[in-house]
Amino acid sequence: KAGVTQTPRYLIKTRGQQVTLSCSPISGHRSVSWYQQTPGQGLQFLFEYFSETQRNKGNFPGRFSGRQFSNSRSEMNVSTLELGDSALYLCASSLGLFGAYTEAFFGQGTRLTVV
Amino acid sequence: QQQVKQSPQSLIVQKGGISIINCAYENTAFDYFPWYQQFPGKGPALLIAIRPDVSEKKEGRFTISFNKSAKQFSLHIMDSQPGDSATYFCAASPSGTYKYIFGTGTRLKVLA
Repeated sequence: KAGVTQTPRYLIKTRGQQVTLSCSPISGHRSVSWYQQTPGQGLQFLFEYFSETQRNKGNFPGRFSGRQFSNSRSEMNVSTLELGDSALYLCASSLGLFGAYTEAFFGQGTRLTVV
Repeated sequence: QQQVKQSPQSLIVQKGGISIINCAYENTAFDYFPWYQQFPGKGPALLIAIRPDVSEKKEGRFTISFNKSAKQFSLHIMDSQPGDSATYFCAASPSGTYKYIFGTGTRLKVLA
């Protein structure tokens, strides 16, 4: 059974640009969540989607957005990139509602570097 | 503010020893407590998880102990092996929020 797939694995962007990251959940999983991981802040929640609906959003500026498609695949977009956006962006999927006693599985992440 | 406090920040254990990592939370109804293991360059991998109505859960060499009244939970790794050397994160899910709050991580090194 394939795991959570995130593309691309590595990305280098310039300040001010925008970027789109993609996540394909485990087959059959309907919940997808995104997290930002940095050495200073650790793992921080970005947003969670279930059946194309955003159910919760973390404390990130509006430059961070996401969406989920009918096949449960998800994308997140960061506009007007800042140096501080450099991080590992992780996607996780779960069979049921995220956090409700349901195991969540993470992808390998997309390493975004903003220069 | 919802927080999960994790300690120690780093841990060095001899091969065959017991590794113990502790987490504590404050004043919030959390209803799910997973532990993740992360190797460099990889995403976090689910190790073991527990619900608050259970005081202990064991899977192989990994055991979670949960103390609801003290708002604390811990991970015990028995017979620690060099291959266990990784960063471990505890997490907690506040009821109805569809998210995890993660601890700051513990870097474990098991000496051969």
